[in-house]
Amino acid sequence: AQSVAQPEDQVNVAEGNPLTVKCTYSVSGNPYLFWYVQYPNRGLQFLLKYITGDNLVKGSYGFEAEFNKSQTSFHLKKPSALVSDSALYFCAVRVDRDDKIIFGKGTRLHILP
Amino acid sequence: GAVVSQHPSWVICKSGTSVKIECRSLDFQATTMFWYRQFPKQSLMLMATSNEGSKATYEQGVEKDKFLINHASLTLSTLTVTSAHPEDSSFYICSAYPGQANSPLHFGNGTRLTVT
Repeated sequence: AQSVAQPEDQVNVAEGNPLTVKCTYSVSGNPYLFWYVQYPNRGLQFLLKYITGDNLVKGSYGFEAEFNKSQTSFHLKKPSALVSDSALYFCAVRVDRDDKIIFGKGTRLHILP
Repeated sequence: GAVVSQHPSWVICKSGTSVKIECRSLDFQATTMFWYRQFPKQSLMLMATSNEGSKATYEQGVEKDKFLINHASLTLSTLTVTSAHPEDSSFYICSAYPGQANSPLHFGNGTRLTVT
C-alpha cells in the first residue's frame, strides 16, 4: 500500500539556522512528491514538487527538497530559518495514473527567535 | 493562478440544522475535487472524492447520507453537512485537481464549522 511517513511531530530550530523536515514514502510506481505548508485556520499552500529530473527541487519562500530514490526520501530544507516559517508542513505523494494524493501526518515547525 | 475559493470561512449552526460549504476553482477546471476534515493538531482526513457529473466516492467510515457532496460543474463542488451535531464541529478543507499528473492539488482556505 502507498504511504507517506513524517517521523517527527515537531521540529524546533533557532532562527537563522538551517532546517530539515523529514519525509519518506512507499509507493508502487513512479512517485510524484509534494510539500505543502499550512498556517493556522487556513488551507494548505503548495510549496514545491518533484516529478522527474533534478533531485534538488527549489520552491516557494526559499524552501527546497531533495529527492533520494535509494532512501525513498523527500526531505524539506531551508538554509536559514525565519520565525515566519513556523507552521504545519505536510509531505504528500501521488502515484502516476492515480488522482488520489496521500498525505503524511504533518510536522509542526517552530522557529525560535 | 490556480485559486480555489471556499466559503464560508467559518459558520456556527445549531444542532439538527444543515450547512452547505462551497468550493470553487476560479481560474481552472477541476476534474476532481477532494474534501478533507482536519481535527485539531492532526493531519488531513480524506472524506470523499468527487468527479464532475458523477457520484462522490466516500472513504471508509464516512457517512455519505450525512455528508452530501455534489460536483455540479468543473468549477464547483459542495459539501452539505446534514442534521449537524456537535461532533461534526471541525475544520473542513476542499481541494481541486486540474487533472494533469504532475499538477499539485490546490486548496481552499477551509471552513471552521461549529455546531452548538
